[in-house]
Formats: sequence, C-alpha cells, structure tokens
Amino acid sequence: DQQVKQNSPSLSVQEGRISILNCDYTNSMFDYFLWYKKYPAEGPTFLISISSIKDKNEDGRFTVFLNKSAKHLSLHIVPSQPGDSAVYFCAASPVHGTASKLTFGTGTRLQVTL
Amino acid sequence: DAGVIQSPRHEVTEMGQEVTLRCKPISGHDYLFWYRQTMMRGLELLIYFNNNVPIDDSGMPEDRFSAKMPNASFSTLKIQPSEPRDSAVYFCASSFSSQPQHFGDGTRLSIL
Repeated sequence: DQQVKQNSPSLSVQEGRISILNCDYTNSMFDYFLWYKKYPAEGPTFLISISSIKDKNEDGRFTVFLNKSAKHLSLHIVPSQPGDSAVYFCAASPVHGTASKLTFGTGTRLQVTL
Repeated sequence: DAGVIQSPRHEVTEMGQEVTLRCKPISGHDYLFWYRQTMMRGLELLIYFNNNVPIDDSGMPEDRFSAKMPNASFSTLKIQPSEPRDSAVYFCASSFSSQPQHFGDGTRLSIL
C-alpha cells in the first residue's frame, strides 16, 4: 500500500523552462513533507521541505506547494538547468517539523535537455 | 565536512552467507536510519535509532535482519543467512534532532 505516490516515473523538460514534479499522499496523519534529489550511485540529497501549516515554501529556483485538502504536493524548478537532471523523491513524515520515520515515493526521473 | 560513510560500497556474496553493512553517521547527529531501495518497493525504512537506542524496527523484513548501534559513531546492519531477494541498495542516513536526514552513498548488495 503506497502511502506516498509519484505517478510520473519520468519527465523531460527543456533547459530554461519550468519543471513540475507531483506527489500525492493518502495518509492524513502526514504533517511534514520533503523533496530529495538523487544522482546515480549517490545517496539522496535533501532539497526542500514544507510543513503542513504552510502551503508554499521557496528556496532559490525551487518552490514546493502543498494542497492539504487534495493531499497533493508539487515541486517547481524554475528555470530548469541540465544539472537538475536526477531522480526526485518526495517524502512524508507524520510528526510536525521533524524528519524522522520518512515514507518515500517511488521517484520521478527528471531529464533537462539542452 | 565528512558526510555519512558507508562500507562496503559493493558486496557480492553467495546465498546463506552472513553479510554485514557498516555506517558511520555525521558527527553530532543523534538519529540514524537504515533504508533499503529496490525496484519493486522503492526506498523503505528498515529501522532507526535515537541516541544509539532502536526506536522503530517495524520495517525490518524478518528475523534474518538485525541492526546495532554500539556507539554514536558506528552502526551495523547484518543479514544472516542472506537470500537472493535481499539484493538491493542499502542506505544509511543520519540527522540532528528535527533536521532533514543526510544519506550515505549506499551499499549495493548482490546475493547470488
């Protein structure tokens, strides 16, 4: 039973355009959400997070949006760069403001083309 | 700054053998996590520790798996006996208090 779902296994975007990665969750107890980026043969790297008390968090080119009623979050990357090509995982935690006991989605592979 | 260090990076062994994966967390971090990544199940949490004490091992698949954290700078994940279905990439991660987890580069385990 996948509690965190990333329904798009892959996404291709042209350099300079916006990349939008989506994530849905089913467990209403989730209270804190994170995005991780993963390059081949490396571990996931933390990118950005959002608490359920917010609906938007921005960090440079990366913005995460949370729609609690729809149980949906998205990651926007603007503008997309070739170095952003990686697998992106969303993750959720049931405890506010902490990143223990994360449940991960299956990942979306982003390719940014020239 | 040194990140989370895992060893070995790759392990190939025969079914039935004991496998020990090692992890050195980031100094000062009080949480340590073990994850397994497979094509079928994605990245799943196996067990995590807080201040060297196991807090939740509900993700450990069966009794063949065990994890220890004898001190703040070292943890092991052991599989005995190993089976081909244990083949996966195993990640260790650490964090300080409520901060996001930092991952090691993983151990790719192949059981023949």
